[in-house]
Amino acid sequence: DAGVTQSPTHLIKTRGQQVTLRCSPKSGHDTVSWYQQALGQGPQFIFQYYEEEERQRGNFPDRFSGHQFPNYSSELNVNALLLGDSALYLCASSSWGDRSVLGYTFGSGTRLTVV
Amino acid sequence: AQTVTQSQPEMSVQEAETVTLSCTYDTSESNYYLFWYKQPPSRQMILVIRQEAYKQQNATENRFSVNFQKAAKSFSLKISDSQLGDTAMYFCAFMMLNRDDKIIFGKGTRLHILP
Repeated sequence: DAGVTQSPTHLIKTRGQQVTLRCSPKSGHDTVSWYQQALGQGPQFIFQYYEEEERQRGNFPDRFSGHQFPNYSSELNVNALLLGDSALYLCASSSWGDRSVLGYTFGSGTRLTVV
Repeated sequence: AQTVTQSQPEMSVQEAETVTLSCTYDTSESNYYLFWYKQPPSRQMILVIRQEAYKQQNATENRFSVNFQKAAKSFSLKISDSQLGDTAMYFCAFMMLNRDDKIIFGKGTRLHILP
């Protein structure tokens, strides 16, 4: 039973570029949430996707966008990268029908470095 | 807005000792969950223990237990008989019950278990 899979594990981009991060949820899960974890900080909620729609959004600019596919996998896109976007990006999957955090499974994240 | 505060950036204890990690939070909500997550070097967030605010009894999971003081908005984690594998970042976290799925994390405490 595969857990949450994120790719790539590490990524280096230049300021102003665009980046796409990918997440495959745990088998049986249909909801994907994305978090940004800056160095020395706790994760911050970016947004959540269910049924291919953004259901909730945290306090992040429009440069951060996402998508969910019919197979429940998800992408996080960040445009016009800033140095401050350097962080670990975590994906968490869950089942919409089980809205308890016990059902959350986190991936190991993508480490994005913007230079 | 809800906030979670961890006042101990880093702690070290000898193996087999007991250690307590502190957490305070602020909310005007009455129904919510509180959690402790562990993030080892593998970067994956692992749920250690959770507490429903409506339950007065403190949660326990094997060597892990919490001291939940609702009126004081305090939620500490006690690790008994600490093991080398407990070395990790520990995050205190909050989520409203039956509202949204956003988890609000503290900044974390880095725990070192020394041999």
